[in-house]
Amino acid sequence: AQTVTQSQPEMSVQEAETVTLSCTYDTSESDYYLFWYKQPPSRQMILVIRQEAYKQQNATENRFSVNFQKAAKSFSLKISDSQLGDAAMYFCAYRSYNTDKLIFGTGTRLQVFP
Amino acid sequence: IAGITQAPTSQILAAGRRMTLRCTQDMRHNAMYWYRQDLGLGLRLIHYSNTAGTTGKGEVPDGYSVSRANTDDFPLTLASAVPSQTSVYFCASSPTSGGQYNEQFFGPGTRLTVL
Repeated sequence: AQTVTQSQPEMSVQEAETVTLSCTYDTSESDYYLFWYKQPPSRQMILVIRQEAYKQQNATENRFSVNFQKAAKSFSLKISDSQLGDAAMYFCAYRSYNTDKLIFGTGTRLQVFP
Repeated sequence: IAGITQAPTSQILAAGRRMTLRCTQDMRHNAMYWYRQDLGLGLRLIHYSNTAGTTGKGEVPDGYSVSRANTDDFPLTLASAVPSQTSVYFCASSPTSGGQYNEQFFGPGTRLTVL
């Protein structure tokens, strides 16, 4: 069975600085997808970024980028130029290629200080 | 376009009572899902449906049942609620199931407290 681990329950960053959230996963599959979701206090789950395992290039979405290390089974999220609105819970998630069922990590709460 | 709606927004329920959480999507998505979110555990899949008329068990199905009579609705029923079912429940949907990437869209959640 696949598992997703987020070892940082809480992280904090100064506004305009850069922060990296860690995620590792375990799988025996070769084809899969990885995601980072943001959950602000509103509770809404928002997709931040996704990575297809067959792509070597790291995904980037504006200030958000990932460092995908397939051999190490690591998928970290880098947030550049942090903004107050980035404060939220961040969840790493895994999806097998043949199913849409998501497996989530336990989350990292990110605080952003002015 | 509303996307996914869930009702109620929150509910306090006495143990032993029956409760149905409602989920409706207007995107004509084939696949729908129910997750529960607990502190320190993230989101865990309860049940899913790949298409109308079919359902399947997720990671934590015990104490819950679902039905999928049509494409739009995917209710989650707690036949006899217990305090351990206190949680935030999220409904989600995606266009299809499996294969090429399909983004999963989430509803706003239902906070359920069982006393």
